[in-house]
Amino acid sequence: AQKITQTQPGMFVQEKEAVTLDCTYDTSDPSYGLFWYKQPSSGEMIFLIYQGSYDQQNATEGRYSLNFQKARKSANLVISASQLGDSAMYFCAMNLGGGYNKLIFGAGTRLAVHP
Amino acid sequence: SAVISQKPSRDICQRGTSLTIQCQVDSQVTMMFWYRQQPGQSLTLIATANQGSEATYESGFVIDKFPISRPNLTFSTLTVSNMSPEDSSIYLCSIRGGKSSYNEQFFGPGTRLTVL
Repeated sequence: AQKITQTQPGMFVQEKEAVTLDCTYDTSDPSYGLFWYKQPSSGEMIFLIYQGSYDQQNATEGRYSLNFQKARKSANLVISASQLGDSAMYFCAMNLGGGYNKLIFGAGTRLAVHP
Repeated sequence: SAVISQKPSRDICQRGTSLTIQCQVDSQVTMMFWYRQQPGQSLTLIATANQGSEATYESGFVIDKFPISRPNLTFSTLTVSNMSPEDSSIYLCSIRGGKSSYNEQFFGPGTRLTVL
C-alpha cells in the first residue's frame, strides 16, 4: 500500500539557518509524484515544490529544495536561510502516475523558527 | 498559478443542518478535488469533482452525506449534509491543470467548519 511517513512531529531552527524536514514514501508504482506543502495557522495549504519520479535532477524553488533519493525512497525538504515566516506545519504528499489523482499525505512536521 | 477562492471562509453551524461550500477558479481546470482535514490531522481526499457527471467518492465518503456539483470547468460546490460535531474540519478545494503545470496541485484557502 502507498504510504508517506514523516517521522519528525516537531522541529525548530534558528533564523537564517538551514533545516531539513524528512519524508519517506512507500509505493511499488514506478511512476509517482512527490509534493511538499506549507500550512500556516490560517489553514491554507501552500504548494512549495514538486518532484516527479522520473526527474533526473532534484527540484528547487527559491529557498526550497527537495533532496530526492529514489533508492532510499526519501524526499526530504531543505529550507535554506530560514525566516520567521517559515514557522508552520509542513506536509509531504505523493500521488501515483497513470491518471491516479489522489494525494496521500504524511502526518506533517511542525517547524518553529526562532529569532 | 491559478487563483482559487472558497466561500465561506469559516462557519459555525448547528447539528442536523447542511452547509454548501463554493470553490471558484479563475481559469478552466481539468481536475478538481475536495479534501477534508479534521482537527490535528492530515488531509484526506473526499472525492474528485467531475465536470458534467457524478463525482467519484473515496472509500468512507458517500454522496448522500457529501453531494458535489461541478457545472463547469471553473466552479464546484461541496455540501456537508445533516452535520454532526464530527464534521468539524477544514474543507479544501484543490485543482490540477489550468494555468499550473499538470503535475502541480494547488489548494484553495479552505473553509473552517465548526458544528455545535
